Amino acid sequence: GENVEQHPSTLSVQEGDSAVIKCTYSDSASNYFPWYKQELGKGPQLIIDIRSNVGEKKDQRIAVTLNKTAKHFSLHITETQPEDSAVYFCAALSGAGSYQLTFGKGTKLSVIP
Amino acid sequence: DTAVSQTPKYLVTQMGNDKSIKCEQNLGHDTMYWYKQDSKKFLKIMFSYNNKELIINETVPNRFSPKSPDKAHLNLHINSLELGDSAVYFCASSPLVGSVGEQFFGPGTRLTVL
Repeated sequence: GENVEQHPSTLSVQEGDSAVIKCTYSDSASNYFPWYKQELGKGPQLIIDIRSNVGEKKDQRIAVTLNKTAKHFSLHITETQPEDSAVYFCAALSGAGSYQLTFGKGTKLSVIP
Repeated sequence: DTAVSQTPKYLVTQMGNDKSIKCEQNLGHDTMYWYKQDSKKFLKIMFSYNNKELIINETVPNRFSPKSPDKAHLNLHINSLELGDSAVYFCASSPLVGSVGEQFFGPGTRLTVL
């Protein structure tokens, strides 16, 4: 089955700086890679996703890059703000008949004002 | 106008008891899921239902039994609760099974077994 590794587990940045979270996956058949943000006491919420036929996607301050050859993808947040503080999860959806998302173990991002 | 709702939000109970968590989605989605999030925040899928039919059943003790009375509801019943069952349980839904697209998560149910 799919295995998703996520690093770092914690990340502290100064407000206005950039934050980068990296994930690797094991199943070359995986074809969809979402990123979820989980605020304290709430359920995860999708912030951006990328499909395997795309190398990069951007939405305002958030961007995701995908390297299929190396089987890794990354989340980039620019001009971080205190409200970006949360736990971020990467995930991979296997394309080989599996109907489930496999999540990374999460990154706790703290943005220091 | 809540998309995915769960009840209760908090559940505190004694070991050995039986409890249920209810989930409803008003998005018209065909597929619903149950996830368990442990104390280290690790999210792991437990079950997935598509149109009331079980399609994913991960290695979960058979004390856990999902029930889907219709495609808008997926309830989780847990028998003989154990200390290790303490976690946050999330329900989620998505439009189509195996689809590339967003899964919408509920607010979670924090289960504490004493």
